[in-house]
Amino acid sequence: GENVEQHPSTLSVQEGDSAVIKCTYSDSASNYFPWYKQELGKRPQLIIDIRSNVGEKKDQRIAVTLNKTAKHFSLHITETQPEDSAVYFCAASKGGNKLVFGAGTILRVKS
Amino acid sequence: DADVTQTPRNRITKTGKRIMLECSQTKGHDRMYWYRQDPGLGLQLIYYSFDVKDINKGEISDGYSVSRQAQAKFSLSLESAIPNQTALYFCATSGGAGETQYFGPGTRLLVL
Repeated sequence: GENVEQHPSTLSVQEGDSAVIKCTYSDSASNYFPWYKQELGKRPQLIIDIRSNVGEKKDQRIAVTLNKTAKHFSLHITETQPEDSAVYFCAASKGGNKLVFGAGTILRVKS
Repeated sequence: DADVTQTPRNRITKTGKRIMLECSQTKGHDRMYWYRQDPGLGLQLIYYSFDVKDINKGEISDGYSVSRQAQAKFSLSLESAIPNQTALYFCATSGGAGETQYFGPGTRLLVL
């Protein structure tokens, strides 16, 4: 079955700097890649997603890139702010809505 | 998302007890999921259901069972709870042509 690996497990950045989180997946048939943000004590919420027919997608300060050949995708957050501090999860799916999640990255933005 | 609710929010139980966690949604979604979250392990899929008559095992179904009582309700049962089932449990839903999953607030379970 699908396996998703996520790195790094923790990431500390200074406010205003950029943060990058990377995920690799094993199943070349996967075609949907969402990113979820989970603030402390809260539920995970979708922040951005990308499909396999697109190489990059942006939404204000966040962007996701996908390299199908290498089977990896990344989340980029620019101009980080303290409210970006959270746990971020990547996931992969090959349709049918069954997601396989990475282990998560704890992002700390220091002000 | 207030459209997906879980009860109870917190539960303490003893080894060997049977417990049920309930999930309800008012989003009209046909697909529902149960996940378990442990520190450093992300979200692991326990069971999922694509409609009332469809139940599927996920990655870690051993020790768990589910019931889809209606389109809006999906319950998770631990037949005989054990301490390593202590975790945070999330229900999620998705529907229509979209693949976005909407999570409930979670149930924190402690098995003594």
